[in-house]
Amino acid sequence: GAGVSQSPRYKVTKRGQDVALRCDPISGHVSLYWYRQALGQGPEFLTYFNYEAQQDKSGLPNDRFSAERPEGSISTLTIQRTEQRDSAMYRCASSLQGYEQYFGPGTRLTVT
Amino acid sequence: AQSVTQPDIHITVSEGASLELRCNYSYGATPYLFWYVQSPGQGLQLLLKYFSGDTLVQGIKGFEAEFKRSQSSFNLRKPSVHWSDAAEYFCAVGAGAGSYQLTFGKGTKLSVIP
Repeated sequence: GAGVSQSPRYKVTKRGQDVALRCDPISGHVSLYWYRQALGQGPEFLTYFNYEAQQDKSGLPNDRFSAERPEGSISTLTIQRTEQRDSAMYRCASSLQGYEQYFGPGTRLTVT
Repeated sequence: AQSVTQPDIHITVSEGASLELRCNYSYGATPYLFWYVQSPGQGLQLLLKYFSGDTLVQGIKGFEAEFKRSQSSFNLRKPSVHWSDAAEYFCAVGAGAGSYQLTFGKGTKLSVIP
């Protein structure tokens, strides 16, 4: 079946603009996770949802970052007033339950 | 808080040689441990996982890993490496306690010499 999909795959934006990154999880997967991966680093946890409820947002770096999953399926990660330090690969993962997470291809964000 | 250390940033092996990638974790309770592989332009693919039970776990693509509590390690092994195994490998630990976030190491890049 189809895996986790993310769009856009690449996004270049100017500093100060808002961006919205989309994640479409594997059908039927209850949990959805967002991670950020800087160059040369492993992914870092941002937030996760069970169904539409945001269960943990402890990894969101500041209040410019927000995420939603209004119908318990597709999720959007929004970054307001982007800064150059926000440039990274943003990865989404989903799981049926628990820890076994399946990752999408990621969105490469570049802030100029 | 949990942490993961992958001591080797880059490893080069010859095709057909054996491979061991090191992973050390820091976590107070029994950890949930994972190895993921990331090929260029691809997402992270789960190779194997350890939750409990047998400390030697088998994964996909001929990989295995052994959980050693006394050494806080979860090293990844493969007896004979193929050129297609060239990729970046990440070890991760699960926090438990109601949050399923994974903490990843910085990764080990594997190069394979034909």
